[in-house]
Amino acid sequence: DTEVTQTPKHLVMGMTNKKSLKCEQHMGHRAMYWYKQKAKKPPELMFVYSYEKLSINESVPSRFSPECPNSSLLNLHLHALQPEDSALYLCASSRSPKGYHFKGETQYFGPGTRLLVL
Amino acid sequence: AQKVTQAQTEISVVEKEDVTLDCVYETRDTTYYLFWYKQPPSGELVFLIRRNSFDEQNEISGRYSWNFQKSTSSFNFTITASQVVDSAVYFCALKTSYDKVIFGPGTSLSVIP
Repeated sequence: DTEVTQTPKHLVMGMTNKKSLKCEQHMGHRAMYWYKQKAKKPPELMFVYSYEKLSINESVPSRFSPECPNSSLLNLHLHALQPEDSALYLCASSRSPKGYHFKGETQYFGPGTRLLVL
Repeated sequence: AQKVTQAQTEISVVEKEDVTLDCVYETRDTTYYLFWYKQPPSGELVFLIRRNSFDEQNEISGRYSWNFQKSTSSFNFTITASQVVDSAVYFCALKTSYDKVIFGPGTSLSVIP
């Protein structure tokens, strides 16, 4: 089972709203990722969590705030977004066992949340 | 520098035709991994294959096949007897570090009935 779930599927928000995106996996993966994908472009990495700790932040604006409450859950809190933040937000996970560094870990992606900021 | 090039932005084929999607990569690492993902209109990236730099064996999975050639830094993907359900954007990707995936720009495949 290689399932990553994301909610909601679609989200429309105003620039003053606060909302959250949720990602969940039950594959025992210990690395989780947020990507942003604009239309007709490849995904761009935003954040990486490894063993529930933030390990990579790709210089993402502070209006995006990630959170990893446990090994199965990853949230992305959104506040004061801009219209240019409208995109598909993808979550991914990979096995990444601690102490075993394997560059070839496959990342498995969820279906994404389509976000529209008005 | 690490880079993935997919020269074909869009391809259209008629159902049952064979189609090859090209992927050329650049890296100075000797150990690296190559991936193909499929992204249908629904949005989810579906993992198709992983290949490491030491394994140049070609792979076939049903109607899908992959040709890895280190000499030309290419990892091409062929769909035999294409079907409408194959219509999607296909991304070739390179991994040389533990967390980051370098995606190519993608090739949009349309299979016309």
